[in-house]
Amino acid sequence: DTEVTQTPKHLVMGMTNKKSLKCEQHMGHRAMYWYKQKAKKPPELMFVYSYEKLSINESVPSRFSPECPNSSLLNLHLHALQPEDSALYLCASSFGGGTDNEQFFGPGTRLTVL
Amino acid sequence: AQSVTQPDIHITVSEGASLELRCNYSYGATPYLFWYVQSPGQGLQLLLKYFSGDTLVQGIKGFEAEFKRSQSSFNLRKPSVHWSDAAEYFCAVGDSNYQLIWGAGTKLIIKP
Repeated sequence: DTEVTQTPKHLVMGMTNKKSLKCEQHMGHRAMYWYKQKAKKPPELMFVYSYEKLSINESVPSRFSPECPNSSLLNLHLHALQPEDSALYLCASSFGGGTDNEQFFGPGTRLTVL
Repeated sequence: AQSVTQPDIHITVSEGASLELRCNYSYGATPYLFWYVQSPGQGLQLLLKYFSGDTLVQGIKGFEAEFKRSQSSFNLRKPSVHWSDAAEYFCAVGDSNYQLIWGAGTKLIIKP
């Protein structure tokens, strides 16, 4: 299985809602990532989990809360988002974190905040 | 500073014609280089990667890329494009500590 899966594919939420994005991989990868991507831009790294521990938080607002329940699963909890948070949210995974870290991406969740 | 430059924001190519997308990098050590493709509304798919060895690397979907250290380039090529190749293409270099340094992307438009 060489796939990263993400649910849901699309999400529309109001600014007062709480929702979660889910990501799963079964490739035995020990690093998992959340990215945010705006239209016509490359992905921006948000969080990295390595061996189920938060390794990198790129100064992301606290309304985004990541969680890694086990080595195969990654969640992103959303609360009190702003319209400017509307974007494609991508999950990725890799074996390690060095310069040769080939990252495998999921199809993304298209988030719209009203 | 480490960086990746894709000089062309968009490129238009006729179906069946050859393609070259440019990528230049600035990196202090031996670079590990990647090309990813993103179809509209989709995630990113790895086309090919260069770590070491043969400087001409073959990827999926008939793509290849050539690493030229003297020119700090890693250009992507395809001899004959298909309409399904229309997408956004990103070049990236692997940095330490889980980071990928991304180029701005090149949008490929295919003319029928």
